[in-house]
Amino acid sequence: QVQLVQSGAEVKKPGASVKVSCKTSGYSFSNFDIHWVRQAPGQGLEWMGWMSANRGNTGYSQRFQDRVTITRDTSTGTAYMDLSSLTSEDTAVYYCARGQVELLDFWGQGTLVIVSS
Amino acid sequence: DIQMTQSPSTLSASVGDRVTITCQASQDISTYLNWYQQKPGKAPKLLIFEASNLETGVPSKFSGSGSGTDFSFTISSLQPEDIATYYCQQYDKLPLIFGGGTKVEIK
Repeated sequence: QVQLVQSGAEVKKPGASVKVSCKTSGYSFSNFDIHWVRQAPGQGLEWMGWMSANRGNTGYSQRFQDRVTITRDTSTGTAYMDLSSLTSEDTAVYYCARGQVELLDFWGQGTLVIVSS
Repeated sequence: DIQMTQSPSTLSASVGDRVTITCQASQDISTYLNWYQQKPGKAPKLLIFEASNLETGVPSKFSGSGSGTDFSFTISSLQPEDIATYYCQQYDKLPLIFGGGTKVEIK
């Protein structure tokens, strides 16, 4: 069955970076895209960016354009989201999701990132 | 960016009620709209894609309709297991944008 398993919770200081992993299984990694979506505490869903798992090309929300990098390791079927220059406003649950034609049909369990001094 | 306005933000209804949520796009998005359900502490789950198509395995009590700028999502008979927050999401153009969410509660 399709699964996306994310790395564990992180606590970071302001100004630091965080890298969240998303290990996929149960499907051909290169045939689908990977999207990253975040959710601040008590808030709605916010799309951050996407990556073609096949070609590795990416697209990012302008809101995160300068701070986010999405990469992948095709040998392990794992995607990564790197967010830099963290502030307290980046405290959120970060989700990866499998995308086909921008419908997000399978999601990871979420990774809580807390930014605190 | 396309803006998605979802209403109401909270909805309280009785078991067995028919409930409807609306989502309005700031420009024509054809039928490029999905609906997700998110239960507390869980990841979102895709229910409806391309405005009116039921995702595999999703009960038929859920339905969606609309095109252009105005969309709706309906639960035909509300049950306790439907308590969740529901989000619309446009995919006509990047960035993908979600509506603000509708929290569905039992009265």
